[in-house]
Amino acid sequence: AQKVTQAQTEISVVEKEDVTLDCVYETRDTTYYLFWYKQPPSGELVFLIRRNSFDEQNEISGRYSWNFQKSTSSFNFTITASHVVDSAVYFCALTPGSNYQLIWGAGTKLIIKP
Amino acid sequence: ETGVTQSPTHLIKTRGQQVTLRCSSQSGHNTVSWYQQALGQGPQFIFQYYREEENGRGNFPPRFSGLQFPNYSSELNVNALELDDSALYLCASSPWLGARYGYTFGSGTRLTVV
Repeated sequence: AQKVTQAQTEISVVEKEDVTLDCVYETRDTTYYLFWYKQPPSGELVFLIRRNSFDEQNEISGRYSWNFQKSTSSFNFTITASHVVDSAVYFCALTPGSNYQLIWGAGTKLIIKP
Repeated sequence: ETGVTQSPTHLIKTRGQQVTLRCSSQSGHNTVSWYQQALGQGPQFIFQYYREEENGRGNFPPRFSGLQFPNYSSELNVNALELDDSALYLCASSPWLGARYGYTFGSGTRLTVV
């Protein structure tokens, strides 16, 4: 079975704090792909990052960083020095290599207070 | 033209009615997928079309149907609407077959069934 769990329903921090969003996944496939998307109030899902199962290198893009650990089936997302504009719902998603659908977590609502 | 455009943005229908939602993808995006997102939840895969043929379907009844046209537009049709069909419907497109490269999403159509 394929499953994505985002245990944090809502996180609220003050601007400039660091925040980490957790994502745990389940899959029996050896080849799979993981994603993070951001959904602002407008509704559009905005792509942030894609990682395949053979690449465990952590990635940093500006204030964003991702920590992929196959040993714990986790793909966590950290925002450093958060801004109010980072407020949104963030989704983690999974697809096995040969599949046509994305399997989504329930999302984490991130609130950044000024 | 870039991005994915969906219409209408909002829609109110009565239980039992039929509805057609429309999506326009960018040129070269031969794959289109539709997702249903209930309030406070992650998207659920409805189906995917590749070059005008359905090539994958999620756990949705046959009253959910779709079409994809050669001009990169597509439709989602829902017959015999039920109250539980109230949700945000997202269209997503990609130049590649399958989900492993992720998708470009539209802003969605908010459907309310009363």
